[in-house]
Amino acid sequence: EVQLAESGGGLIHPGGSLSLSCAASGFTVRSNYINWVRQTPGKGLEWISIMYPNGDTYYAASLRGRFTISRDQSQNTFYLHINSLRTDDTAVYYCAGAGVPNRGDYWGQGVLVTVSS
Amino acid sequence: EIVLTQSPATLSLSPGGRATLSCRASQSVSCCLGWYQQKPGQAPRLLIYDTANRATGIPARFSGSGSGTDFTLTISSLEPEDFGVYYCQQGIHWPTFGQGTKVEIK
Repeated sequence: EVQLAESGGGLIHPGGSLSLSCAASGFTVRSNYINWVRQTPGKGLEWISIMYPNGDTYYAASLRGRFTISRDQSQNTFYLHINSLRTDDTAVYYCAGAGVPNRGDYWGQGVLVTVSS
Repeated sequence: EIVLTQSPATLSLSPGGRATLSCRASQSVSCCLGWYQQKPGQAPRLLIYDTANRATGIPARFSGSGSGTDFTLTISSLEPEDFGVYYCQQGIHWPTFGQGTKVEIK
């Protein structure tokens, strides 16, 4: 059974930075497509970033520059680092994985990130 | 960016009823369209991928169809656990989601 478990959410001040983690079991991070997606009441579901098995990374055009996806094969965990947080980054952040690009076969439970002063 | 427009926004049906949900894309997405179900407090769950393929463990009452820019998710006979919000998602270009259709109990 595939399980993805996120951690790292919380309350962050504007301008701060944050790293989210997604620990995988039953799913090999290095040989699959790993993704981060966020959800807000206003904008709905938004695909943030994708890492391919070969290590190539891609980001939503509107978010490029502040978000970084990475993985640790030894820990079978992947990460999303966000810089220069803004109030409109407030969202539930999900990690997702799949055996093909641009799809979410497996999802974590989601973590709430609140950006507020 | 490919914009996906779902209709209706809300569908009020009784258990046992048939649900037909629509998703229209701003440009052709070929076969690369999927459907997800989301319940309150939960992550989306993949139901259908590549227009018409059911994901692992998804009951046969869920079916998908369509091509090009117009796609449909059909739930043949609603079960109590089927009520929630349904999203379409395209993967032919940078992935985007529709705004969702809420299926509620009438």
